[in-house]
Amino acid sequence: DQQVKQNSPSLSVQEGRISILNCDYTNSMFDYFLWYKKYPAEGPTFLISISSIKDKNEDGRFTVFLNKSAKHLSLHIVPSQPGDSAVYFCAASGYGGSQGNLIFGKGTKLSVKP
Amino acid sequence: ETGVTQTPRHLVMGMTNKKSLKCEQHLGHNAMYWYKQSAKKPLELMFVYSLEERVENNSVPSRFSPECPNSSHLFLHLHTLQPEDSALYLCASSHGRDRANYGYTFGSGTRLTVV
Repeated sequence: DQQVKQNSPSLSVQEGRISILNCDYTNSMFDYFLWYKKYPAEGPTFLISISSIKDKNEDGRFTVFLNKSAKHLSLHIVPSQPGDSAVYFCAASGYGGSQGNLIFGKGTKLSVKP
Repeated sequence: ETGVTQTPRHLVMGMTNKKSLKCEQHLGHNAMYWYKQSAKKPLELMFVYSLEERVENNSVPSRFSPECPNSSHLFLHLHTLQPEDSALYLCASSHGRDRANYGYTFGSGTRLTVV
């Protein structure tokens, strides 16, 4: 059973507009969440993270929002650029032992059209 | 370059072959991981090594055999694989494993095709 779910396999957005990528999780022991970005033929690279003590974390054009009661997080990219076209993975972890491992979603492929 | 290097980048092997995937990091990390990425599936954690000791094996078939001779190197030995084992195999490393606060650093992966 998937503990981290990204229900949209793909998303297409016009350059300059907002991209919103969504992620849901089921394990209430998760308290740290990360977004990774992956280009073809490369490994995933860390983008932004958020701890469960916060509900928002911002880094330049990237903002992650966390709604603990809904077990939902989202990544906002504003404004979107063609170079943002990639697969975005949501990941989550808890504390200690197996919970410390990162559990990933299936990814959402973002295409930003010029 | 992320600091985690995987070789080879691409590998085609027959079902009766034996091959090894190599991962190397010089980031000073003390935990290393093998993940498998298949089409339309989440990244699947296969093995976890902490301080050169295997601490997790997520129900991976015995035809996959990991080895961690030191904190900088990780291998995945492959033998008698099946076509469904074709996937992108990703190595990652991190500072410790109690907490994924800083995330993992991934290599570029080895694209494996079993014929």
